[in-house]
Amino acid sequence: EAGVAQSPRYKIIEKRQSVAFWCNPISGHATLYWYQQILGQGPKLLIQFQNNGVVDDSQLPKDRFSAERLKGVDSTLKIQPAKLEDSAVYLCASSLGGRNQPQHFGDGTRLSIL
Amino acid sequence: GQSLEQPSEVTAVEGAIVQINCTYQTSGFYGLSWYQQHDGGAPTFLSYNALDGLEETGRFSSFLSRSDSYGYLLLQELQMKDSASYFCAAYNQGGKLIFGQGTELSVKP
Repeated sequence: EAGVAQSPRYKIIEKRQSVAFWCNPISGHATLYWYQQILGQGPKLLIQFQNNGVVDDSQLPKDRFSAERLKGVDSTLKIQPAKLEDSAVYLCASSLGGRNQPQHFGDGTRLSIL
Repeated sequence: GQSLEQPSEVTAVEGAIVQINCTYQTSGFYGLSWYQQHDGGAPTFLSYNALDGLEETGRFSSFLSRSDSYGYLLLQELQMKDSASYFCAAYNQGGKLIFGQGTELSVKP
C-alpha cells in the first residue's frame, strides 16, 4: 500500500511569512494527525482529525496555526505568520483509528525560519 | 502532568542485546508504543503493549509493567541498520499519543 505522502519536503521562509504543508494519508485511514518535531525531541501532537472533524487541537497555537481536512481525505496545515520557534519537522500520520492501531507517518516537511 | 523518561543515548556493538527503558506518568494511561526513527526519516511503528508482559516480534521485544509505570524495548542480535532513535509513546485515556524525548542508539562494529 502507498504510504503517507507529504509535501514539500523542505521549506525555508523568513519570519512573519506564511507557509502551508500538504498531507495525503493512507487510503481508508479515517484518522489523521499533524505533529511538530523539534530537533532532538519527540513528536508533539498539534491536531487530530477523525474523518473531517477535529478530535483534538488542544496543543495547536490557534493564533497562527490552522488546519483543515476537507472531504475527510487530504489535509493542509498552515502557519501565518511564522516565528523563529516554528522551525521544526512537521509530520503527518494516519491510522485506522483506535489505540491498538499503529500510526503511519510520512517523511515530514522540514521547515526553517530565517 | 504527562511525561515519559528514557535515556538520551545508548551505545552497543553488533550482535549484542540492548534494552531501552521507559518510565511514564500519564493521566488515564492506556498503553505503550515504541517507534523507530532513522535520521531524516519517518517514525515507524515497532510495537504496542496494552497489557502487562512481553510482546515479541522478531529481533525486537517490548515489555510493560503497568503497576511500575515502566516499559522497555529489547533489541537482540543488533545490526548496524538498527542505529536510529527509539521513542516510547504512551496513549492516554483521551486517545492522544504522548512521545518521549527519544533514545539515540548507536551500533558499533
